[in-house]
Amino acid sequence: GEDVEQSLFLSVREGDSSVINCTYTDSSSTYLYWYKQEPGAGLQLLTYIFSNMDMKQDQRLTVLLNKKDKHLSLRIADTQTGDSAIYFCAESKGTGKLIFGQGTTLQVKP
Amino acid sequence: DVKVTQSSRYLVKRTGEKVFLECVQDMDHENMFWYRQDPGLGLRLIYFSYDVKMKEKGDIPEGYSVSREKKERFSLILESASTNQTSMYLCASPPGRLNTEAFFGQGTRLTVV
Repeated sequence: GEDVEQSLFLSVREGDSSVINCTYTDSSSTYLYWYKQEPGAGLQLLTYIFSNMDMKQDQRLTVLLNKKDKHLSLRIADTQTGDSAIYFCAESKGTGKLIFGQGTTLQVKP
Repeated sequence: DVKVTQSSRYLVKRTGEKVFLECVQDMDHENMFWYRQDPGLGLRLIYFSYDVKMKEKGDIPEGYSVSREKKERFSLILESASTNQTSMYLCASPPGRLNTEAFFGQGTRLTVV
């Protein structure tokens, strides 16, 4: 079946890099996504990667995809206190339905 | 610039009540989705709709139903609310089936007492 797994918590110091990891089981996934949820808010799409890519960079964000190991990561460079949030990994087969991981709470210490 | 609006941010209902959660999108999208979010479980799909009067079950439809009478509105119905339905409910309306843009509502925090 479809399953997406994330660790629940990550703590980093301001200015360090954060790396949030995700594993998924469905090899037919076409798109993989990272969403951010700030306290009391809905979900904001941060970035996505198509399954035939292995890397995507967007300013401070770098997404790495290892399709063989079904492993996705999100690296945030120069992490700021404003990056404190819950980060969700999600996969889709292009049907509009998203399968989400449990969410990783990122705590950024000053 | 409002795109997906959920009618309530917070709701408190009693066990056994019939509860309606409303979601409205102003983007003329065909696709609309209802998820519930619980700590440590992420978001799980309850129901979705690809068109007016169309509905499909997601992964956890038990205890819920939906209504899509108009393209812009997708209602989630708890026929008889129970305490295990206390949760955050999120509505989403992607522009197509690729989710390369995200349009989520701000969420409704429902407490059933």
